[in-house]
This record gives sequence, C-alpha cells and structure tokens, in this order.
Amino acid sequence: AQRVTQPEKLLSVFKGAPVELKCNYSYSGSPELFWYVQYSRQRLQLLLRHISRESIKGFTADLNKGETSFHLKKPFAQEEDSAMYYCALSAEYNFNKFYFGSGTKLNVKP
Amino acid sequence: EPEVTQTPSHQVTQMGQEVILRCVPISNHLYFYWYRQILGQKVEFLVSFYNNEISEKSEIFDDQFSVERPDGSNFTLKIRSTKLEDSAMYFCASSGLLKIYEQYFGPGTRLTVT
Repeated sequence: AQRVTQPEKLLSVFKGAPVELKCNYSYSGSPELFWYVQYSRQRLQLLLRHISRESIKGFTADLNKGETSFHLKKPFAQEEDSAMYYCALSAEYNFNKFYFGSGTKLNVKP
Repeated sequence: EPEVTQTPSHQVTQMGQEVILRCVPISNHLYFYWYRQILGQKVEFLVSFYNNEISEKSEIFDDQFSVERPDGSNFTLKIRSTKLEDSAMYFCASSGLLKIYEQYFGPGTRLTVT
C-alpha cells in the first residue's frame, strides 16, 4: 500500500542549528517526492520536488530509494522556517493522485 | 498573484444534510483536486479532475461525494448525506499545464457535521 510517514509531529531546534525533517515512504511503483510547507495563517505551498534537485530557502532533500526516504534538511535553521512541513508522493510523471504525510511542525527558537 | 479561493470558510451542517463546498481555481489552470484533513490527521486525497471528468479518486470518495465544474470558474464538491466523520478541513487545489505537479492550494473550508 502507498504510504508516506513523517515520524515526528513536532521538531524544535534553535536558530542556527541544523534541521532534518524525516520522511519515509512505501510505494509499489516509481515515485515522485515533494515537500510542501504551510506557514502560519497561510496556505499549503510547494517547497521542493525531488526531481528538480534544487535548494529552496536553503532546504534540500535527497531521494534515497534504497532506504525509501526523502528527508528535508537545512544546515542553519532560521526563525522564519517555523511552519508545518508535509512530505508528499505521487506516481512518476502522473500527478492525478497525491499521498501526503501527517506533517511535522518545525519550531525554530531564537 | 492569483490564488485559489474557497467558500465558505466554515460550514456547519446537521448529519444527513447535503453540503456543497465551492472553489474557484486559478483561472488558467486545468487540473483540479479536492483533499480533506481530519483534525490532527494527514491530508488525504479525495479526487482529481481534468477535462470535465474525474481523473482519479480515492477509496474515501464514494457515492456520497461528487464533483462538478458547473461553469468556467467554479469547482464544487458535494457531499449528499453528511456523516459525523465527514467533519474535516477540505482543501481545493489546482495546477497548470506547464507544472502539473505544482498544486496551488486554497485556504480550506472547515466542515463541521453535528
């Protein structure tokens, strides 16, 4: 069965500390992985897509097919990174259906 | 910047009643989606819609649910006979032809079934 797991409901770090938000998935086919972010009082928005291999707002994520993981990382967290982060999965090149994780709330303390 | 809008922001209804949740996707987008999020749980895919028909639907999207694009701008989700367990936040999303994978989400409609 297709599933996206984010094991941490809440992650608190101090400003300037590294942050890693974990995402594991199970999927029978070839997946595409995404990270979405929801800042306070704002709507869900795409942060990054694994296939683009970009760094967005200092965040990167590498798809590890062996470990079926897509962890989101940033070397130095900023207070404005505080938000809810959702990992999501779709079939490769087929965006008719997405599976979301339950989200991790990142709290960056000053 | 264009945004997806949803109305109402909060809907309270009695069990067994029909509700229609409305969404106005971004105007040049062609792909439309509905999701729901029960409080404290994950965002769950309900249905996707393209070219005036359903592309995919989840197991949740049973005969009680239907979607429609009644005109060139609105995209609606109808729940025919609401149950208590339908209480959730419902999100509409849309995406364009060039970046189908990049969904733009609306602010959500909170549905409370009493």
